[in-house]
Amino acid sequence: NAGVTQTPKFRVLKTGQSMTLLCAQDMNHEYMYWYRQDPGMGLRLIHYSVGEGTTAKGEVPDGYNVSRLKKQNFLLGLESAAPSQTSVYFCASSRQGVGTEAFFGQGTRLTVV
Amino acid sequence: AQSVTQPDIHITVSEGASLELRCNYSYGATPYLFWYVQSPGQGLQLLLKYFSGDTLVQGIKGFEAEFKRSQSSFNLRKPSVHWSDAAEYFCAVGDVVGYGGATNKLIFGTGTLLAVQP
Repeated sequence: NAGVTQTPKFRVLKTGQSMTLLCAQDMNHEYMYWYRQDPGMGLRLIHYSVGEGTTAKGEVPDGYNVSRLKKQNFLLGLESAAPSQTSVYFCASSRQGVGTEAFFGQGTRLTVV
Repeated sequence: AQSVTQPDIHITVSEGASLELRCNYSYGATPYLFWYVQSPGQGLQLLLKYFSGDTLVQGIKGFEAEFKRSQSSFNLRKPSVHWSDAAEYFCAVGDVVGYGGATNKLIFGTGTLLAVQP
């Protein structure tokens, strides 16, 4: 029972480099989310998806792009990394419906130097 | 705007002592409320949730929380803390946005870091 799996777990980037974070869930959930966690700020929503082929902006979408080509996968892209994007990134998924529980991956720690 | 406030950044309790973590929310309608726990280096795990009905909800690991509409609070409690409860605790409110009104976004508080003394 894998649940939500994030790849990679750690990454160091140089300013201006690009990368893609992969999130995969095996629970057949409709909704998927990308959050970033920064000290003293809790978790903030970057982008989310309510189903295959759909994406929407969250609270802090600038500098990020996402794609949901397959229901089980949700990709987060950084086209030109900046030091301000140093953070821990969490992916989550939930069933469609009001108030359903979100299941979280173990996080990706990204450092941009 | 919807928001969640956790006024205590860091709390230390002795093992066996009782615990209460505070959470206040600002939300226009009946809120969907959650408590999550994050152990070091791990993702978030749901402890409990409140949608409607009984205002005292039971969760996993012996935790409970009470919804008080008049105080806009959803405080987390445990009668006797164990060393393994040391972690960071997040309160969150579910926000209904766009797409058919389904709750599909969580607004998190800034977290309370719990330390447990032997």
